[in-house]
Amino acid sequence: AQRVTQPEKLLSVFKGAPVELKCNYSYSGSPELFWYVQYSRQRLQLLLRHISRESIKGFTADLNKGETSFHLKKPFAQEEDSAMYYCALLTTNTGNQFYFGTGTSLTVIP
Amino acid sequence: DVKVTQSSRYLVKRTGEKVFLECVQDMDHENMFWYRQDPGLGLRLIYFSYDVKMKEKGDIPEGYSVSREKKERFSLILESASTNQTSMYLCASSFRGDYQPQHFGDGTRLSIL
Repeated sequence: AQRVTQPEKLLSVFKGAPVELKCNYSYSGSPELFWYVQYSRQRLQLLLRHISRESIKGFTADLNKGETSFHLKKPFAQEEDSAMYYCALLTTNTGNQFYFGTGTSLTVIP
Repeated sequence: DVKVTQSSRYLVKRTGEKVFLECVQDMDHENMFWYRQDPGLGLRLIYFSYDVKMKEKGDIPEGYSVSREKKERFSLILESASTNQTSMYLCASSFRGDYQPQHFGDGTRLSIL
Protein backbone atom coordinates (compact mmCIF):
# COMPACT_ATOMS: atom_id res chain seq x y z
CA ALA A 1 0.00 0.00 0.00
CA GLN A 2 1.29 3.42 -0.92
CA ARG A 3 1.94 5.19 2.34
CA VAL A 4 3.47 8.40 0.99
CA THR A 5 2.28 10.19 -2.12
CA GLN A 6 4.03 13.03 -3.86
CA PRO A 7 1.75 13.87 -6.76
CA GLU A 8 4.21 16.05 -8.69
CA LYS A 9 7.24 14.44 -10.30
CA LEU A 10 8.43 17.76 -11.69
CA LEU A 11 7.87 21.29 -10.47
CA SER A 12 9.23 24.51 -11.95
CA VAL A 13 8.94 27.95 -10.40
CA PHE A 14 10.57 31.28 -11.04
CA LYS A 15 13.12 32.69 -8.65
CA GLY A 16 11.39 34.71 -5.97
CA ALA A 17 8.06 32.94 -6.41
CA PRO A 18 6.48 30.85 -3.64
CA VAL A 19 6.91 27.12 -3.85
CA GLU A 20 4.89 24.28 -2.38
CA LEU A 21 5.81 20.62 -2.70
CA LYS A 22 2.92 18.37 -1.83
CA CYS A 23 3.03 15.28 0.32
CA ASN A 24 0.17 13.11 1.53
CA TYR A 25 0.48 10.05 3.72
CA SER A 26 -1.61 7.16 4.96
CA TYR A 27 -0.86 5.62 8.32
CA SER A 28 -3.10 4.44 11.13
CA GLY A 29 -0.63 5.27 13.89
CA SER A 30 0.88 8.56 14.99
CA PRO A 31 2.89 9.80 11.99
CA GLU A 32 6.48 10.96 12.10
CA LEU A 33 7.23 12.84 8.90
CA PHE A 34 10.39 14.13 7.29
CA TRP A 35 11.53 15.94 4.20
CA TYR A 36 14.80 14.92 2.59
CA VAL A 37 16.63 16.76 -0.17
CA GLN A 38 19.18 15.61 -2.71
CA TYR A 39 21.15 18.29 -4.53
CA SER A 40 22.90 17.41 -7.77
CA ARG A 41 25.75 14.96 -7.18
CA GLN A 42 25.27 15.03 -3.40
CA ARG A 43 23.97 12.54 -0.90
CA LEU A 44 20.42 12.48 0.31
CA GLN A 45 20.20 14.61 3.42
CA LEU A 46 17.62 15.51 6.01
CA LEU A 47 15.95 18.86 5.40
CA LEU A 48 13.46 18.97 8.22
CA ARG A 49 11.17 16.89 10.42
CA HIS A 50 7.74 17.75 11.66
CA ILE A 51 8.54 17.24 15.32
CA SER A 52 11.14 20.01 15.22
CA ARG A 53 8.71 22.62 13.87
CA GLU A 54 11.65 24.58 12.52
CA SER A 55 12.50 26.45 9.36
CA ILE A 56 15.49 25.19 7.43
CA LYS A 57 16.86 27.18 4.48
CA GLY A 58 13.59 29.09 4.51
CA PHE A 59 11.49 25.94 4.15
CA THR A 60 8.70 24.98 6.52
CA ALA A 61 6.30 22.07 6.66
CA ASP A 62 3.21 21.68 8.79
CA LEU A 63 1.65 18.38 9.63
CA ASN A 64 -2.08 18.44 8.93
CA LYS A 65 -3.56 15.28 10.41
CA GLY A 66 -7.05 16.06 9.15
CA GLU A 67 -5.87 16.21 5.55
CA THR A 68 -3.04 13.69 6.16
CA SER A 69 -0.62 16.09 4.52
CA PHE A 70 2.87 17.40 5.15
CA HIS A 71 3.46 19.93 2.38
CA LEU A 72 6.80 21.69 2.10
CA LYS A 73 6.68 25.44 1.55
CA LYS A 74 9.00 28.33 0.93
CA PRO A 75 7.78 31.88 0.32
CA PHE A 76 10.58 32.95 -2.06
CA ALA A 77 12.35 30.28 -4.10
CA GLN A 78 16.08 30.57 -4.80
CA GLU A 79 18.10 28.99 -7.58
CA GLU A 80 20.03 26.91 -5.06
CA ASP A 81 16.77 25.25 -4.03
CA SER A 82 16.76 23.28 -7.28
CA ALA A 83 16.98 19.65 -6.17
CA MET A 84 15.07 16.43 -5.71
CA TYR A 85 12.83 16.43 -2.65
CA TYR A 86 11.51 13.34 -0.91
CA CYS A 87 8.82 13.15 1.72
CA ALA A 88 9.23 10.27 4.18
CA LEU A 89 7.08 8.60 6.81
CA LEU A 90 8.67 6.84 9.77
CA THR A 91 6.73 3.98 11.31
CA THR A 92 7.76 2.54 14.63
CA ASN A 93 5.36 -0.34 15.02
CA THR A 94 7.76 -2.74 13.30
CA GLY A 95 11.01 -1.02 13.99
CA ASN A 96 12.20 2.21 12.47
CA GLN A 97 11.10 1.72 8.89
CA PHE A 98 10.93 4.67 6.54
CA TYR A 99 8.55 4.93 3.62
CA PHE A 100 9.61 7.38 0.95
CA GLY A 101 7.53 9.09 -1.67
CA THR A 102 8.59 8.96 -5.31
CA GLY A 103 10.14 12.41 -5.10
CA THR A 104 9.58 15.82 -6.68
CA SER A 105 12.25 17.41 -8.83
CA LEU A 106 12.19 21.15 -8.22
CA THR A 107 13.68 23.54 -10.74
CA VAL A 108 13.95 27.21 -9.90
CA ILE A 109 14.15 29.28 -13.05
CA PRO A 110 16.38 32.37 -12.84
CA ASP B 1 29.02 14.40 12.04
CA VAL B 2 27.54 11.10 10.98
CA LYS B 3 29.53 9.24 8.41
CA VAL B 4 28.00 6.53 6.26
CA THR B 5 30.53 5.20 3.82
CA GLN B 6 29.76 3.04 0.81
CA SER B 7 32.71 1.17 -0.60
CA SER B 8 32.30 2.18 -4.25
CA ARG B 9 30.76 5.16 -6.04
CA TYR B 10 30.65 3.36 -9.39
CA LEU B 11 30.69 -0.34 -10.13
CA VAL B 12 30.36 -2.28 -13.37
CA LYS B 13 29.69 -6.01 -13.29
CA ARG B 14 28.55 -8.72 -15.67
CA THR B 15 25.32 -10.68 -15.72
CA GLY B 16 25.51 -13.70 -13.45
CA GLU B 17 28.29 -12.36 -11.24
CA LYS B 18 27.96 -12.29 -7.47
CA VAL B 19 28.19 -8.66 -6.37
CA PHE B 20 28.96 -7.27 -2.92
CA LEU B 21 28.11 -3.73 -1.87
CA GLU B 22 29.56 -2.66 1.45
CA CYS B 23 28.38 0.00 3.86
CA VAL B 24 29.99 1.19 7.09
CA GLN B 25 28.68 3.72 9.62
CA ASP B 26 30.60 5.26 12.46
CA MET B 27 27.81 6.43 14.78
CA ASP B 28 26.96 3.20 16.57
CA HIS B 29 23.51 3.17 14.94
CA GLU B 30 21.36 0.14 15.61
CA ASN B 31 19.46 0.31 12.31
CA MET B 32 20.86 -0.02 8.83
CA PHE B 33 19.08 -0.03 5.50
CA TRP B 34 19.63 -0.71 1.81
CA TYR B 35 17.57 1.07 -0.83
CA ARG B 36 17.64 1.29 -4.57
CA GLN B 37 16.85 4.61 -6.19
CA ASP B 38 15.36 4.70 -9.68
CA PRO B 39 13.95 7.68 -11.57
CA GLY B 40 10.22 8.01 -11.08
CA LEU B 41 10.15 5.27 -8.46
CA GLY B 42 11.85 7.04 -5.58
CA LEU B 43 13.59 5.01 -2.92
CA ARG B 44 12.56 1.40 -2.51
CA LEU B 45 13.64 -0.55 0.52
CA ILE B 46 15.47 -3.79 -0.20
CA TYR B 47 16.48 -5.00 3.27
CA PHE B 48 17.02 -3.56 6.71
CA SER B 49 18.56 -4.65 9.96
CA TYR B 50 17.80 -3.70 13.56
CA ASP B 51 20.80 -5.35 15.10
CA VAL B 52 23.78 -7.52 14.42
CA LYS B 53 22.87 -10.74 12.61
CA MET B 54 19.28 -9.60 12.25
CA LYS B 55 17.67 -8.79 8.92
CA GLU B 56 14.22 -8.03 7.61
CA LYS B 57 12.93 -7.98 4.05
CA GLY B 58 11.85 -4.71 2.62
CA ASP B 59 9.61 -4.12 -0.36
CA ILE B 60 11.85 -5.58 -3.08
CA PRO B 61 14.14 -8.27 -1.60
CA GLU B 62 14.04 -10.66 -4.56
CA GLY B 63 17.47 -11.31 -6.00
CA TYR B 64 19.24 -9.77 -3.00
CA SER B 65 20.55 -10.90 0.34
CA VAL B 66 22.30 -9.07 3.18
CA SER B 67 24.80 -9.70 5.91
CA ARG B 68 25.37 -7.90 9.18
CA GLU B 69 28.13 -9.56 11.15
CA LYS B 70 29.23 -6.37 12.90
CA LYS B 71 27.14 -3.46 14.11
CA GLU B 72 28.87 -0.92 11.91
CA ARG B 73 28.81 -2.89 8.65
CA PHE B 74 25.89 -3.90 6.45
CA SER B 75 26.53 -5.69 3.18
CA LEU B 76 24.19 -6.08 0.23
CA ILE B 77 24.71 -9.11 -1.97
CA LEU B 78 23.41 -9.67 -5.46
CA GLU B 79 23.55 -13.44 -5.72
CA SER B 80 23.49 -13.56 -9.53
CA ALA B 81 23.42 -10.09 -11.01
CA SER B 82 20.92 -9.30 -13.73
CA THR B 83 20.54 -6.26 -15.97
CA ASN B 84 17.37 -5.15 -14.16
CA GLN B 85 19.48 -4.63 -11.07
CA THR B 86 21.29 -1.75 -12.71
CA SER B 87 20.51 1.11 -10.36
CA MET B 88 21.73 3.54 -7.72
CA TYR B 89 22.04 1.80 -4.35
CA LEU B 90 21.82 3.81 -1.15
CA CYS B 91 22.80 2.72 2.33
CA ALA B 92 21.38 4.45 5.41
CA SER B 93 21.61 4.12 9.16
CA SER B 94 19.73 5.47 12.17
CA PHE B 95 19.32 5.16 15.90
CA ARG B 96 16.41 3.15 17.16
CA GLY B 97 13.52 5.15 18.60
CA ASP B 98 11.04 7.85 17.77
CA TYR B 99 11.86 10.70 15.43
CA GLN B 100 15.29 9.34 14.55
CA PRO B 101 16.22 10.39 11.01
CA GLN B 102 18.15 8.22 8.60
CA HIS B 103 21.62 9.23 7.47
CA PHE B 104 22.64 8.27 3.96
CA GLY B 105 25.82 7.34 2.16
CA ASP B 106 26.86 8.78 -1.20
CA GLY B 107 25.40 5.86 -3.09
CA THR B 108 26.83 3.24 -5.44
CA ARG B 109 25.88 3.44 -9.08
CA LEU B 110 25.87 -0.16 -10.22
CA SER B 111 25.75 -1.15 -13.86
CA ILE B 112 25.16 -4.75 -14.85
CA LEU B 113 26.20 -5.52 -18.41
